[in-house]
Amino acid sequence: NAGVTQTPKFRILKIGQSMTLQCAQDMNHNYMYWYRQDPGMGLKLIYYSVGAGITDKGEVPNGYNVSRSTTEDFPLRLELAAPSQTSVYFCASRSGQQKEAFFGQGTRLTVV
Amino acid sequence: GESVGLHLPTLSVQEGDNSIINCAYSNSASDYFIWYKQESGKGPQFIIDIRSNMDKRQGQRVTVLLNKTVKHLSLQIAATQPGDSAVYFCAENNYGQNFVFGPGTRLSVLP
Repeated sequence: NAGVTQTPKFRILKIGQSMTLQCAQDMNHNYMYWYRQDPGMGLKLIYYSVGAGITDKGEVPNGYNVSRSTTEDFPLRLELAAPSQTSVYFCASRSGQQKEAFFGQGTRLTVV
Repeated sequence: GESVGLHLPTLSVQEGDNSIINCAYSNSASDYFIWYKQESGKGPQFIIDIRSNMDKRQGQRVTVLLNKTVKHLSLQIAATQPGDSAVYFCAENNYGQNFVFGPGTRLSVLP
């Protein structure tokens, strides 16, 4: 199994540009999450989903959007990139029966 | 509100010694806790978990202790090895969908 796959691994954006961070999991997990991790800090929850068609805001949702049209995919959209969105973004998933989450390798985003 | 924090942001130990990483949490309703290990350039990886009805749980070379009286969680790593060098996060959950992560402790293993 590939687990949780994130693309791209690195990206540089100019202020005001938009992009989509891709996340896919092949474990048939219902729960999926997007976190951001700023340097030397812990993980902050941006958005999460408990199943296809259902999404909810986390702790820091402003400036982001998500969709969950399938169980496998949970893309994160940045519409108008700002320097404050420079961070490492992690996608994670877990089953409903277990609380252990599996994380992707992360996407390092720089907004200049 | 919920918050999870760590007493020490960095910890250096000699190879072969035992490591103890601490975590304080503020939500007394939290019922489940996880320790994650994050190596440089990688995503967090599950190490061990514990439920609030337990005070100790052991894995391979790792032990998690939970003291609900003082809302304190610790991760003990026995015979620390160079491969244990990483940032360690505790995370808490209170019967909900999501976890609250602490800021992390960087463990450095000295030769």
